[in-house]
Parts: sequence; structure tokens; C-alpha cells
Amino acid sequence: NAGVTQTPKFRILKIGQSMTLQCTQDMNHNYMYWYRQDPGMGLKLIYYSVGAGITDKGEVPNGYNVSRSTTEDFPLRLELAAPSQTSVYFCATKETGDFRSGELFFGEGSRLTVL
Amino acid sequence: GQQVMQIPQYQHVQEGEDFTTYCNSSTTLSNIQWYKQRPGGHPVFLIQLVKSGEVKKQKRLTFQFGEAKKNSSLHITATQTTDVGTYFCAGNYGGSQGNLIFGKGTKLSVKP
Repeated sequence: NAGVTQTPKFRILKIGQSMTLQCTQDMNHNYMYWYRQDPGMGLKLIYYSVGAGITDKGEVPNGYNVSRSTTEDFPLRLELAAPSQTSVYFCATKETGDFRSGELFFGEGSRLTVL
Repeated sequence: GQQVMQIPQYQHVQEGEDFTTYCNSSTTLSNIQWYKQRPGGHPVFLIQLVKSGEVKKQKRLTFQFGEAKKNSSLHITATQTTDVGTYFCAGNYGGSQGNLIFGKGTKLSVKP
């Protein structure tokens, strides 16, 4: 039972390059999230998904895209990478989405540097 | 937009001293969660508070949710070096999606 798995753990990109951060979960959770964490800041929600085939924008979606073709996978795509996208990215899952639901389960993070 | 303010940003304590971090929201929260992130690690859920005035304890950690459900605190008694990390509160304003708004966190360092 791996929980939430993110790959890669580290990546350096050049400005203008594209890449996909992978996130897969084996907990059969419907809700999945992508956050970014900048130094000294909290976590900002990029995109989220309430189930396969459904995605929605969070607080900071510009420059990113997501897809959710299966319950397990929720990849985050960066197009035309910019230095402002240098950050640590966390994927997270939750069993249900309403306000009564409980904890977020986080992956170990992907540290991205854009030079 | 909705914001959760968390103070202090940093706290340095001597081992054995107490530590408190505070979160405030300008609007009423449905519930609030607390997470701990060790250096280089990922956030790990600690607790969720739902009821007005709720107080929950986990060993040396005491969590409170204000009567108006606009503020919360985490208090650690007699800190240990294992308490080092960043503590985040995350507010839930309700709605069908229940998305969380995270505070900026309080980074705790403990000097042995």
C-alpha cells in the first residue's frame, strides 16, 4: 500500500520547456489535488479533481494543466516553464470532498527548478 | 478572497519550553485542520476541529477552535527536538468541494 506516489522527486527545467509531474494513488480516493509550496508560504491549490473525468481550477492555475482519466492518476502538466514555477509541488488525496470530510494525504513532493 | 492568517511565522524555543501558534480567519470556518511538515518532508495531518469551542489533545499537543469558529490555536507543552518542523492550519469554508485554505505556517525550531 504505497499511498500517494509522485514522480519525479527532483527536476531542473530550462525556461520554455514542458514537463509532466506524475501522481498516482492506491487508496481509491475520489478527490485529488495539486498544491505548490513556495518558501515561507503555505500551500496554494493549483487544480483539483472530484473524480475521473472531472477537473477544476484552484487558486493558482495559470501555466498548468491537468487531466484525470482514471481514479488513480492525476498528472500535472507544465507548458512553457517559467522561473516563477520554481517550487515544490505536492499531490494530495481525500476520501470525500465535502466539508465534513477528513484529512488530506500528501505525496512526498516534487521539487522543480526552472532556470 | 478567503484568507487564513497564521502567526508567528517563526518560533525558536529552548527544549522544554512551551510553543503556541495561532490562526485567524475574517469569516466563519466550517472546520479547521492542522498539519505538520518536517524539514524536507510533506505535510502530515494532525487533527480536524469542527465544533465551536472544541478542544482536543494529543499527548503534549492541545488544539482549540474558537467559539465564533474564526480562530484556532495549537499549543505544545514542553517541546522536544522531535517537534521541529512547520505547523500549518488549513481552514475549510464549507461548500460542496470543501477545499482548504492554508495558512503560511509557523516554523518551529527547538534548541536542545
